Amino acid sequence: GEDVEQSLFLSVREGDSSVINCTYTDSSSTYLYWYKQEPGAGLQLLTYIFSNMDMKQDQRLTVLLNKKDKHLSLRIADTQTGDSAIYFCAEIRGKLIFGQGTELSVKP
Amino acid sequence: KAGVTQTPRYLIKTRGQQVTLSCSPISGHRSVSWYQQTPGQGLQFLFEYFSETQRNKGNFPGRFSGRQFSNSRSEMNVSTLELGDSALYLCASSSSYNEQFFGPGTRLTVL
Repeated sequence: GEDVEQSLFLSVREGDSSVINCTYTDSSSTYLYWYKQEPGAGLQLLTYIFSNMDMKQDQRLTVLLNKKDKHLSLRIADTQTGDSAIYFCAEIRGKLIFGQGTELSVKP
Repeated sequence: KAGVTQTPRYLIKTRGQQVTLSCSPISGHRSVSWYQQTPGQGLQFLFEYFSETQRNKGNFPGRFSGRQFSNSRSEMNVSTLELGDSALYLCASSSSYNEQFFGPGTRLTVL
């Protein structure tokens, strides 16, 4: 298909790990991104990965990329209530193409 | 460095009116992109400007237009507003191909 796809909702307990998954469309995409959007706010760039990498770690965030399956995931370790937000994956094809967003709910 | 700023933050207009939204990119960034966010369609690309020239355009009607000034500030204009234009309009600036930083957005409500 032509859409970047994500599951819509994820609920975890505080302190657990969260894994948000994304399937993208263009195997030639050079960069893949994760953005976070809190209520009433714009998009915050969390991290991105270059397409020739399999993994990127940045503090509590780990990005895994499976190019064969066009699958991208974002793992948040030790999830906190402040991580509750909508997370968007995006690929770049001259412009950013976004998924629908995954709403992460963190319960205390 | 200051982030991307957008003005106004909130706007209420009626059908048929026109509106102009403004975006000031991060200092030194020459590329500005605009996106529309709605619950139904999600995030959709409107257009991108680089050095005062439109470099890329999304699939929106001609009522949506933009421009960029020599100081990299950008404006987008929507004429003859429709109810369906109600959305959060986001501006992003970048200095390189791989990083785009977004502003807080302008929430437009069309009544």
